[in-house]
Amino acid sequence: GAGVSQTPSNKVTEKGKYVELRCDPISGHTALYWYRQSLGQGPEFLIYFQGTGAADDSGLPNDRFFAVRPEGSVSTLKIQRTERGDSAVYLCASSPEWGSNEQFFGPGTRLTVL
Amino acid sequence: GESVGLHLPTLSVQEGDNSIINCAYSNSASDYFIWYKQESGKGPQFIIDIRSNMDKRQGQRVTVLLNKTVKHLSLQIAATQPGDSAVYFCAEVNTGTASKLTFGTGTRLQVTL
Repeated sequence: GAGVSQTPSNKVTEKGKYVELRCDPISGHTALYWYRQSLGQGPEFLIYFQGTGAADDSGLPNDRFFAVRPEGSVSTLKIQRTERGDSAVYLCASSPEWGSNEQFFGPGTRLTVL
Repeated sequence: GESVGLHLPTLSVQEGDNSIINCAYSNSASDYFIWYKQESGKGPQFIIDIRSNMDKRQGQRVTVLLNKTVKHLSLQIAATQPGDSAVYFCAEVNTGTASKLTFGTGTRLQVTL
């Protein structure tokens, strides 16, 4: 079956612009996570959804970052007024249920802010 | 694709040899520890996990050892193959925090022929 997909695979934008990154989780997976990975680092947690609600958004760096999952499936990570420091690979992962240890990752969206 | 781990510690092993990748973790309250493999341009891929009440777990060609006394985790890969070349991350999980993963510093494994 299909894995987690993310679009676009690459996004180049200018400082100050708004971007949206999309994640399609594995069908039926109720838990969805966003992580950010800078070059040479491990992924860092941003936000977790259980169903439609953001159960934990403690990893979002500031209020320029926001994520939604309106129907409990597809999620969109939104970044306002992008800064060069936002450049990273944004990874999405889904898991069949809350408390499951196995998270299935998508290939990521590489965001470059010029 | 994105190049991962340009500044990471590197372990070079010959094909057929065994590899040992080490990781130090920080949270003694973590319930699980997981090893992930990440190839260039791809997301992390689950390899094996271990509960905090275990000290060893074996999978296919891989073994994870957990030493809670010194907060140390290791991944052993038997008969390393070229396809094992990747960046390896350990991650710790506290199920009380919705199973979000806290990743450690990765190690790049290079398999030479």
